[in-house]
Amino acid sequence: DAKTTQPNSMESNEEEPVHLPCNHSTISGTDYIHWYRQLPSQGPEYVIHGLTSNVNNRMASLAIAEDRKSSTLILHRATLRDAAVYYCILGGGSNYKLTFGKGTLLTVNP
Amino acid sequence: EAGVAQSPRYKIIEKRQSVAFWCNPISGHATLYWYQQILGQGPKLLIQFQNNGVVDDSQLPKDRFSAERLKGVDSTLKIQPAKLEDSAVYLCASSPNLWNEQYFGPGTRLTVT
Repeated sequence: DAKTTQPNSMESNEEEPVHLPCNHSTISGTDYIHWYRQLPSQGPEYVIHGLTSNVNNRMASLAIAEDRKSSTLILHRATLRDAAVYYCILGGGSNYKLTFGKGTLLTVNP
Repeated sequence: EAGVAQSPRYKIIEKRQSVAFWCNPISGHATLYWYQQILGQGPKLLIQFQNNGVVDDSQLPKDRFSAERLKGVDSTLKIQPAKLEDSAVYLCASSPNLWNEQYFGPGTRLTVT
């Protein structure tokens, strides 16, 4: 499985934008970039995914580098409820198996 | 829309005992997953079903873990006998099909003493 590299932790202030980076230099042409997050004591929650173009949804935006070797999850205005572990995962192939790493622990300060 | 249901939410057993976890996926979801999440780590896929067939069980310790999905709906995961290192949260997830986002349940926290 292709690997991703994320910072162990990041901090942000409430109502400010947050940019969560992810490096995936060994990404293959068929790998989608998925982001999930896990709030304390809950199961992971889907955030967004993309292949080549930047993607937006009601939760976040995903900016994908032109060479696809890195991506950034953008939370436009962080709230206290966004404090969670964010996982960047590459998935593709025939069964879209997701291999979770340790993710980035995001702390949001009031 | 009801989410993925799991029970029990918590379970404490002694080593060498048996335990079973139950999962009810979102209605109509063909794909069901069981993950193990050890404290401080990301979830690790144990087994993946498509309807009632196994797609991937390469990381399931088959000498002690078993899972089934009868009639392609509910699923059970069993550990027999349990070891101390099985202490973890067991997460069930479902998705409409193999290529869709996964919806996770709240998990079952297992403590083996």
